[in-house]
Amino acid sequence: GNSVTQMEGPVTLSEEAFLTINCTYTATGYPSLFWYVQYPGEGLQLLLKATKADDKGSNKGFEATYRKETTSFHLEKGSVQVSDSAVYFCALIPISSGSARQLTFGSGTQLTVLP
Amino acid sequence: DAGVIQSPRHEVTEMGQEVTLRCKPISGHNSLFWYRQTMMRGLELLIYFNNNVPIDDSGMPEDRFSAKMPNASFSTLKIQPSEPRDSAVYFCASSYGGTMNTEAFFGQGTRLTVV
Repeated sequence: GNSVTQMEGPVTLSEEAFLTINCTYTATGYPSLFWYVQYPGEGLQLLLKATKADDKGSNKGFEATYRKETTSFHLEKGSVQVSDSAVYFCALIPISSGSARQLTFGSGTQLTVLP
Repeated sequence: DAGVIQSPRHEVTEMGQEVTLRCKPISGHNSLFWYRQTMMRGLELLIYFNNNVPIDDSGMPEDRFSAKMPNASFSTLKIQPSEPRDSAVYFCASSYGGTMNTEAFFGQGTRLTVV
């Protein structure tokens, strides 16, 4: 089956520190990969995505590269801000001949950035 | 577009009462998902619809839960009777299931407390 494994949290960093949140996946073929972010009291928002191997998704200073050889999609940011404090979810949509393609989520990683 | 709209945002009810959560997906989207989020279990997919038809309800915890999608612009998730362990944030999400790249867009969620 399909699954996503994320780095366990919580992660606490100082402002301007470098961020990496690890994500690896198991799926048949080459799924589409996503990072979602959930700010306190809100729903999930798409942060970035990649749909094929070696694609790099990027948004708001965050980046993740689709690595098929390591089945990974690690999230990185060079300099985090207090406003980046949130829960981050890695997710995939499998290649499927079915009519609907559902997201499979990782367990989420809580990030807290201190001023 | 206003995005996925859920109501109510907060619901407090007594054990044994019926609870109905509502969702309006993004216009033009043909897939709709109901998720439940708790600290203990993270994000769980309860059910998803494609073109108003339930595709997979294997995540629905038990017969007390039911979901309907009478048309493309409205869905409900009903719990009858409710129990304290149903307390969680319930998210509705929608997507266009026509391409592999499709991501899901989430509503703000309904925070349910059963006392």
